Amino acid sequence: GAGVSQSPRYKVAKRGQDVALRCDPISGHVSLFWYQQALGQGPEFLTYFQNEAQLDKSGLPSDRFFAERPEGSVSTLKIQRTQQEDSAVYLCASSDQGVGNQPQHFGDGTRLSIL
Amino acid sequence: DQQVKQNSPSLSVQEGRISILNCDYTNSMFDYFLWYKKYPAEGPTFLISISSIKDKNEDGRFTVFLNKSAKHLSLHIVPSQPGDSAVYFCAASSSVSSNTGKLIFGQGTTLQVKP
Repeated sequence: GAGVSQSPRYKVAKRGQDVALRCDPISGHVSLFWYQQALGQGPEFLTYFQNEAQLDKSGLPSDRFFAERPEGSVSTLKIQRTQQEDSAVYLCASSDQGVGNQPQHFGDGTRLSIL
Repeated sequence: DQQVKQNSPSLSVQEGRISILNCDYTNSMFDYFLWYKKYPAEGPTFLISISSIKDKNEDGRFTVFLNKSAKHLSLHIVPSQPGDSAVYFCAASSSVSSNTGKLIFGQGTTLQVKP
């Protein structure tokens, strides 16, 4: 079956513009995560959804970051008024979390560059 | 504060020999540990995991060892193959301090397997 799909793969935006990043999780996966990966670092947690409910948004760096998963499947991460420090790879992961410890499966990410 | 640390940024091994990648953690609440492999321009791919109730888990050429008293885990790859050349991330989560399963990642170790 298909893995986690993210689009676009690359996004270039000017400082101050809004961007929207899309994630299509593995079909049937209840849990969905967003991570931010800076160059040379490991991914850092941003936010977590269980179905359509956003249960943890403690990792979102500012109120310019907003995520939604309205129907419990596809998710969108939106960044408003982008700044240069937002440049990073944004990774989405999903898991079948309802059955105890399960590994998260990652998409290939969206590389965001803010000019 | 870096809760998960991979102190070796890089490792070079001859094909056919053993690769040992190390990871240390500071949070005693972590109870699930994973290793991911990442190729350039791709998302992390799940390799192997271990629960804190175990001290070893094996899957083919990959074995993960967990030493809870030392707060240390390692990934052994035997025999190493050129296709194993990638960045390896260890990650941990806690079911006690977080019910979301969010992962805390190390900084990664770049493994090069020479033919």
